[in-house]
Amino acid sequence: EAQVTQNPRYLITVTGKKLTVTCSQNMNHEYMSWYRQDPGLGLRQIYYSMNVEVTDKGDVPEGYKVSRKEKRNFPLILESPSPNQTSLYFCASSLFGGTSGTFYEQYFGPGTRLTVT
Amino acid sequence: SQQGEEDPQALSIQEGENATMNCSYKTSINNLQWYRQNSGRGLVHLILIRSNEREKHSGRLRVTLDTSKKSSSLLITASRAADTASYFCATVGAGGTSYGKLTFGQGTILTVHP
Repeated sequence: EAQVTQNPRYLITVTGKKLTVTCSQNMNHEYMSWYRQDPGLGLRQIYYSMNVEVTDKGDVPEGYKVSRKEKRNFPLILESPSPNQTSLYFCASSLFGGTSGTFYEQYFGPGTRLTVT
Repeated sequence: SQQGEEDPQALSIQEGENATMNCSYKTSINNLQWYRQNSGRGLVHLILIRSNEREKHSGRLRVTLDTSKKSSSLLITASRAADTASYFCATVGAGGTSYGKLTFGQGTILTVHP
């Protein structure tokens, strides 16, 4: 089954304790991205990647790191989480026609609900 | 900052009626996408319209794009109770520092009463 998986689905942690949320897709998509969703603010893009070893900042990258060492995986790293990073996080992937500059629809994972106390 | 602005923020209609949601954006886009989200779950793609297209249909959905006004609308015809959800527009940036960046609107909450 074609899908985007995220782990963990729920996480409660404390301020300053490094954590990683994994994201994996099995659709051979070039483009992967992380979003956070907060009430009243909609979804905001944190980081995106248009191919292996290529990452770009979205609208809210502060406090987050990403890496794209393999095509299928795009982990989100919080080196020192703070309470303002409490949110619902979504990973997504899509095809990307690099040479033509064609972008396609996103396939979303089920979300990770993170609470930082 | 959010590029996409949607209105209305909430829409309540009866089954069988049509629902129209609007989205405005600020910069040049590669394409505009509409998504649906059921209460806290993942987003599901509905329809994508490219910057050189003006109208697209998919089942009961009709999307229009006016690049001169930097706006789009989503029309759901003959709505059903199962259409109750939040609907989001998202734009993909066309160039410069926005190339490939996705920006979502804040969404429209649609409630369809049986």
